[in-house]
Amino acid sequence: NAGVTQTPKFQVLKTGQSMTLQCAQDMNHEYMSWYRQDPGMGLRLIHYSVGAGITDQGEVPNGYNVSRSTTEDFPLRLLSAAPSQTSVYFCASSSSPQTPREQYFGPGTRLTVT
Amino acid sequence: AQTVTQSQPEMSVQEAETVTLSCTYDTSESNYYLFWYKQPPSRQMILVIRQEAYKQQNATENRFSVNFQKAAKSFSLKISDSQLGDTAMYFCAFRDYGNKLVFGAGTILRVKS
Repeated sequence: NAGVTQTPKFQVLKTGQSMTLQCAQDMNHEYMSWYRQDPGMGLRLIHYSVGAGITDQGEVPNGYNVSRSTTEDFPLRLLSAAPSQTSVYFCASSSSPQTPREQYFGPGTRLTVT
Repeated sequence: AQTVTQSQPEMSVQEAETVTLSCTYDTSESNYYLFWYKQPPSRQMILVIRQEAYKQQNATENRFSVNFQKAAKSFSLKISDSQLGDTAMYFCAFRDYGNKLVFGAGTILRVKS
């Protein structure tokens, strides 16, 4: 049981490049989400999914796309990277949204956009 | 929209002493959940303690306990017998029934020997 895994751990992009941050969980969790962590601002929700085929926007969705074709995977795509997207990105998962379960976090991806 | 405020950017405590981290939140909902997460230098987010808003009893987990004041919308974390391994960033978080977490800005706690 690996929990929540994220790849890569570190990434440097040039402005305008695109890339996909990978997230996978092996706990059969329905709920998955992406957060970004910036200094002095805590973690902010980018996108989330309550099950395969269902996604929705969080607090800061602009510049990011997601899809959920399987229960296990929830990739985050940066369409055209900008320096403002330099951040640490966390993926999280939990079981049914209606139950008081904790969210399990992945180890994070540190992204730098130059 | 819900907001979470942590008014102490940094705190320090001597080893073996007790420290309290503050958190206030704003919501119009009556049913929700509150969490404290710890983030050590490894960057991993670790759940420390959680509280269901419908429960009047304050949650405790070993050396960690909370003071939940629902009317005042306050949710402080008390760490007893502080240890060097408690040095970390601590985040207070609010979760509504939609399972979306709203985080505070965090408090850096340094435990000194």
